[in-house]
This record gives sequence, structure tokens and C-alpha cells, in this order.
Amino acid sequence: NAGVMQNPRHLVRRRGQEARLRCSPMKGHSHVYWYRQLPEEGLKFMVYLQKENIIDESGMPKERFSAEFPKEGPSILRIQQVVRGDSAAYFCASSPPGLAGGLYEQYFGPGTRLTVT
Amino acid sequence: GDSVTQMEGPVTLSEEAFLTINCTYTATGYPSLFWYVQYPGEGLQLLLKATKADDKGSNKGFEATYRKETTSFHLEKGSVQVSDSAVYFCALSYGQNFVFGPGTRLSVLP
Repeated sequence: NAGVMQNPRHLVRRRGQEARLRCSPMKGHSHVYWYRQLPEEGLKFMVYLQKENIIDESGMPKERFSAEFPKEGPSILRIQQVVRGDSAAYFCASSPPGLAGGLYEQYFGPGTRLTVT
Repeated sequence: GDSVTQMEGPVTLSEEAFLTINCTYTATGYPSLFWYVQYPGEGLQLLLKATKADDKGSNKGFEATYRKETTSFHLEKGSVQVSDSAVYFCALSYGQNFVFGPGTRLSVLP
């Protein structure tokens, strides 16, 4: 059973370009979470998605950032018109559908390291 | 809302020293509790978990006990190794809410 896959692992974009980050959850997992991690800092929650639905996007900047998790294919985190401050590691995590009470842990991908020049 | 507090790092220890990283939480219900570890340049890996009060999670010599009365989940290891140098994150899960602490950096010197 393959783990959470993220690609690309490293992405370099010039200011003003678009960045697309992909995440394939573990098999059987229908919940996807995106986090951002600045150098030497903790994780910042961005968005929580289920298939074709955004459940919680309270951590997403209101502009330039969007996320989707289509019925088929990977989850995509899209950053339009990137700026230097977007440089960070972006991690995706997945979890299986669970019961109320949060019994299931999250499984993390290796991350995409975005550098904006 | 739900939250997780960890002791501030960095923590620097000599090899074979005893490790404790404190973690306390605030939650409206009865969450599941986790410790994750992040090695340099990698994603987070689940280290151990506990799903109810008095449960003890353990893995690779690390242990943590779910203490409902003190709302704590402190991470311990009896004898650390250089290879344990990493950032450790305490986390809780309740319903669809998953909350991470800020992380504690551990450096183990030979």
C-alpha cells in the first residue's frame, strides 16, 4: 500500500507565476489536508477536503490560493501569482473515513518545497 | 477551541540521556492524542498514539501516557540516540478537528 504521494518534491517559480502542487492520498483514504511549514517553524493548517467538497478552508489565504479534490485524480493546491513569501514546504496528509471522535491519525506525504525567486 | 501546547525548544541532550517533552492540551471532548516526528527534509511520521484515558502509546523506545486528569501526553525516552535528533509534534484529533502543537526541536550530541 503506497503512502501519500506528493509531486513535485521541489518546485521553483518566479514571482507572478502559478504553482500547482499535487497530492495523491493513501488508497482508501477520502480525507485530505494541506499544511504549510515555513523554515524552522511549525505546521500551519490550510484546508481540509473530502472528495469534491471543501470541508474547512479557514487556514487558506483569501486570495491567490485554492484547493480541490476531484472525484478522480489527486488533490491540487494552486497558488496564483506567487510571491516570495509563499516560499515554504507544503505538506499533504490523508486519513480514512472515520467515526465521530477522530479515531484516525493522519498520514503525511514527503512535502513539496516551493521556492519563489 | 481545541489547542495543544508543547515545551519550547530547542532541547539539547547528550547521547543516552533521559528525554521528556511536555505536551498539554485543551479540548471540549475526549480527543485522540498523537506524537509525530519530523526528520530534516522529510514529512511528518506518526510516532505513537493513544485513543483514551490511561492508554500508553509506545514505539522505538518512546512512550507517552494519556492523562485525562492533567490533560497531558508527555513524550519520554529512557536513552536517546543521535539518530533521534528531529522535531517532535504533539497533536490531538477530535471529530474532524486535527490540531498540532508548535513542535519541539531535539538535538542529541554524541
